[in-house]
Amino acid sequence: IVMTQTPLSSPVTLGQPASISCGSSQSLVHSDGNTYLSWLQQRPGQPPRLLIYKISNRVSGVPDRFSGSGAGTDFTLRISRVEAEDVGVYYCMQRTQFPVTFGQGTRLEIK
Amino acid sequence: EVQLVESGGGLVQPGGSLRLSCAASGFTFSNYWMTWVRQAPGKELEWMASTKEDGSEKKYVDSVKGRFTISRDNAENSLYLQMNSLRVEDTAVYYCTRGITSDYWGQGALVTVSS
Repeated sequence: IVMTQTPLSSPVTLGQPASISCGSSQSLVHSDGNTYLSWLQQRPGQPPRLLIYKISNRVSGVPDRFSGSGAGTDFTLRISRVEAEDVGVYYCMQRTQFPVTFGQGTRLEIK
Repeated sequence: EVQLVESGGGLVQPGGSLRLSCAASGFTFSNYWMTWVRQAPGKELEWMASTKEDGSEKKYVDSVKGRFTISRDNAENSLYLQMNSLRVEDTAVYYCTRGITSDYWGQGALVTVSS
């Protein structure tokens, strides 16, 4: 399954919203009924960190300004008000089917 | 606190071998699939392999099938990646992660394949 993210780069003003889209080449609905689409954040010089799993479930400790939505083959990560600590690369990932695949990454930067 | 600590990275010549280890703590290791993900310099994440809780099932990305072997020792809370016939394009930071969803990540081990 090919994962395609847009945009690849997103300059955002502090305090403004940001949105990243992720499309999959086929439906991510698993035979068990779940959709295994996750979002990860990778800050500069750090390993990735899981933010959201199964489309919209925030990991404990992730600020509520991060939200995920979507269904089937189209998904979105939204940040309601970007803060300086949000700078980094964001990846969508599917684990509905092996091989697990990632999007190319979207670089979030501050204008 | 969940901790994953990779070791075993380094410089190796093309065609050589290397074995990565991942020491897990802070959770019941034998209850989770475990995964290796790599990231070439400046590139995106690439899933390598995952192994089931008891090691009875293993999945690999096509590019490493027959060259890399994932294994685990539940008694030692450890995950391994045996890498043979290494190529220049295998140069990357290799991350150990928990589960197939990769909800926890180690700091990574750098593998450099170069002559």
